[in-house]
Amino acid sequence: DAGVTQSPTHLIKTRGQHVTLRCSPISGHKSVSWYQQVLGQGPQFIFQYYEKEERGRGNFPDRFSARQFPNYSSELNVNALLLGDSALYLCASSLVAGANSPLHFGNGTRLTVT
Amino acid sequence: DQQVKQNSPSLSVQEGRISILNCDYTNSMFDYFLWYKKYPAEGPTFLISISSIKDKNEDGRFTVFLNKSAKHLSLHIVPSQPGDSAVYFCAAGGNRDDKIIFGKGTRLHILP
Repeated sequence: DAGVTQSPTHLIKTRGQHVTLRCSPISGHKSVSWYQQVLGQGPQFIFQYYEKEERGRGNFPDRFSARQFPNYSSELNVNALLLGDSALYLCASSLVAGANSPLHFGNGTRLTVT
Repeated sequence: DQQVKQNSPSLSVQEGRISILNCDYTNSMFDYFLWYKKYPAEGPTFLISISSIKDKNEDGRFTVFLNKSAKHLSLHIVPSQPGDSAVYFCAAGGNRDDKIIFGKGTRLHILP
């Protein structure tokens, strides 16, 4: 079975631009979560979607948005990019929402904002 | 406010010996605690979890211990192998709260 796939793997953008990151969950998984990981820190929760509805949102500005499609894939959008948005963006899928359903992570998208 | 804390940024252990990674938390409402392992250029991989109603869970070489009164958990790896060299993240979450909160990680080096 294919794991969680994310695209693109690397991305370089300029301040003020917009970016869209994509994620395909493991087949059968209905929940998708997005995390941001900066160097030296653990992953920080951005969003969780379950059955195409937003279930949770972390402490990120409104420039960050996401959605989940009928096939359970997901997009993370970031507007008006700042230098501080440079990070590894991780997508994770799980069978259901809730901490007792372990997250399965993709390899991430490395975003560099210049 | 860091709800999940891993106070040791790195740890070196001889191959074959026991590796003990520690984690402290502040939120007594957490229902599940999880450990993830991360290699460079890969996403974190789920290792083992424990429910807040248990004090021990074992899976092969990996055992997680939970001390609720101390708000402390630990991951024991025995015997340690070269492939165990990675960054280990402690994480926690609630059944109703959908976000999982991660610690900063501990880099484990297994020495030959």
